Amino acid sequence: AQSVTQPDIHITVSEGASLELRCNYSYGATPYLFWYVQSPGQGLQLLLKYFSGDTLVQGIKGFEAEFKRSQSSFNLRKPSVHWSDAAEYFCAVGALEQGGKLIFGQGTELSVKP
Amino acid sequence: NAGVMQNPRHLVRRRGQEARLRCSPMKGHSHVYWYRQLPEEGLKFMVYLQKENIIDESGMPKERFSAEFPKEGPSILRIQQVVRGDSAAYFCASSPADRAQPQHFGDGTRLSIL
Repeated sequence: AQSVTQPDIHITVSEGASLELRCNYSYGATPYLFWYVQSPGQGLQLLLKYFSGDTLVQGIKGFEAEFKRSQSSFNLRKPSVHWSDAAEYFCAVGALEQGGKLIFGQGTELSVKP
Repeated sequence: NAGVMQNPRHLVRRRGQEARLRCSPMKGHSHVYWYRQLPEEGLKFMVYLQKENIIDESGMPKERFSAEFPKEGPSILRIQQVVRGDSAAYFCASSPADRAQPQHFGDGTRLSIL
């Protein structure tokens, strides 16, 4: 069955430090991969997506993610975290074969220390 | 350029009542998805609709839940005879006909059952 695992439930980093949020997926077909961010009481905002091509994708707000097929991973990175990045981050996988519905990970809550 | 609009933002119902959640997709989007987010969990797919058609309802509970996306008007997620366990945030997402495009999410409806 398809699944998405975000191993880290909660991460705390200092402002200005680098960030990496992990995401592993299990999927038989070629997946589409996404990272979304959710602020409290808000909906989900798309940070970036991978459909095909270059395995390093750039997103909004200075985020990037790298698709590694051999590791079934799609980790999110940011070189320098800002206090406004504190939020919940969700990795999701989708595929045309499943009609476009998304399967989400459990989420990683990011806290930023001053 | 309005995004995905959901209303109401907050809905309070007593056990046994009906809840109706509305979603207007982004302009030009013909695909609508509903997801449910329980406390401390990620989003779970419920149903995927196109105009006047339910394409995939594999995530819908077998009883009390229904969804529609009529030719005119918003998509409706209907929950009959609500129970405490229905308390959650319900998110709607939309995408254009090209399902390789990412889904855009609304801000959700927070349903509370008294």
